[in-house]
Amino acid sequence: AQSVSQHNHHVILSEAASLELGCNYSYGGTVNLFWYVQYPGQHLQLLLKYFSGDPLVKGIKGFEAEFIKSKFSFNLRKPSVQWSDTAEYFCAGGGATNKLIFGTGTLLAVQP
Amino acid sequence: DAGVIQSPRHEVTEMGQEVTLRCKPISGHDYLFWYRQTMMRGLELLIYFNNNVPIDDSGMPEDRFSAKMPNASFSTLKIQPSEPRDSAVYFCASSPWTQGPSTDTQYFGPGTRLTVL
Repeated sequence: AQSVSQHNHHVILSEAASLELGCNYSYGGTVNLFWYVQYPGQHLQLLLKYFSGDPLVKGIKGFEAEFIKSKFSFNLRKPSVQWSDTAEYFCAGGGATNKLIFGTGTLLAVQP
Repeated sequence: DAGVIQSPRHEVTEMGQEVTLRCKPISGHDYLFWYRQTMMRGLELLIYFNNNVPIDDSGMPEDRFSAKMPNASFSTLKIQPSEPRDSAVYFCASSPWTQGPSTDTQYFGPGTRLTVL
């Protein structure tokens, strides 16, 4: 069955630290991958997405993610986090089933 | 555009009562999705519509849950009778059609936090 796994449920970092949030998927065939973010009190919104081409995808606010097919991974990275990056981050995958499967989310707390 | 609108934002009810959640998608979007978010299971797709027609309701947990989309600008998710395990945040999302629901960006509403006592 298709699934998306986020193994880091809760991450605490200090400002300026580097961030990497893990996301693994289990899909056969073509897969589309997304990272969504939910800032406190706000709606879920798209951070970045990958369909094909360059496996390194750049999104808003300095985030990027790398699609590594051999590892079934799509980890989210940011070289230097800010307090305003405190949010919940969701990885999601879509494929032949024509719907998105979301991971359970990672709660990121950035301490000033 | 005001974005996806959901009402109510918070709902507290007692076990056995009927609950109706409402959603107004972004004008012009062809797809509408209902999700449920819980600590244990994360964000789960319950059902989605394309041009007001239900396409996939395999995520609806049981017969107590039903969803309708009578027109392009309104959808409801109903739980009857409600149970404490239904307590969760319910999100509505919509998307335009360019390549399909597993490809296009989804735009989420603010969610309805449901508590069933």
